[in-house]
Amino acid sequence: GENVEQHPSTLSVQEGDSAVIKCTYSDSASNYFPWYKQELGKGPQLIIDIRSNVGEKKDQRIAVTLNKTAKHFSLHITETQPEDSAVYFCAATPKDYKLSFGAGTTVTVRA
Amino acid sequence: NAGVTQTPKFQVLKTGQSMTLQCAQDMNHNYMYWYRQDPGMGLKLIYYSVGAGITDKGEVPNGYNVSRSTTEDFPLRLELAAPSQTSVYFCASSPGGTETQYFGPGTRLLVL
Repeated sequence: GENVEQHPSTLSVQEGDSAVIKCTYSDSASNYFPWYKQELGKGPQLIIDIRSNVGEKKDQRIAVTLNKTAKHFSLHITETQPEDSAVYFCAATPKDYKLSFGAGTTVTVRA
Repeated sequence: NAGVTQTPKFQVLKTGQSMTLQCAQDMNHNYMYWYRQDPGMGLKLIYYSVGAGITDKGEVPNGYNVSRSTTEDFPLRLELAAPSQTSVYFCASSPGGTETQYFGPGTRLLVL
């Protein structure tokens, strides 16, 4: 099955700075890569996703890049704000539609 | 739309007891999933369903059972609860296999 590794496990940034989270995957057949944000006591919520036929996708302050050759993808958050503090999960899905999640990154934005 | 709902929010069980975690969605999604989330471990897929009457195992199915008699409901059954099943359980649904998954608020389960 798919194996997704996520780094770093914790990330502390100053408000207004950028945050970058990196993930690698093992199954070259994976073709869908979503990112989820989980706030305390709630279920994960999709913030952005990218498919294997696209190298980069941006939505306001959030961007995701995908390198299929190296089998890694990254989440970039610019101009971080206190409400960006949460746990972020990357995931990958091969053809069997079973999402495999990374272990998560706890992001803290310092005011 | 209520989205994905889960009951109960919190449950305490004794070892060997059984219970059913309820999950329902009102978005007419074909795909439904059950995950467990342990601290620092991300989410692990327990079971999933691609439509009514069809279920399949995920990564960690041992000790659990599911059924999907309707599009809306996807209950998760624990037959003989064990302390190792102490976790937070999330149900999710999606229109298709590589589409956005919408998660419920979770059920926190403690097995003593």
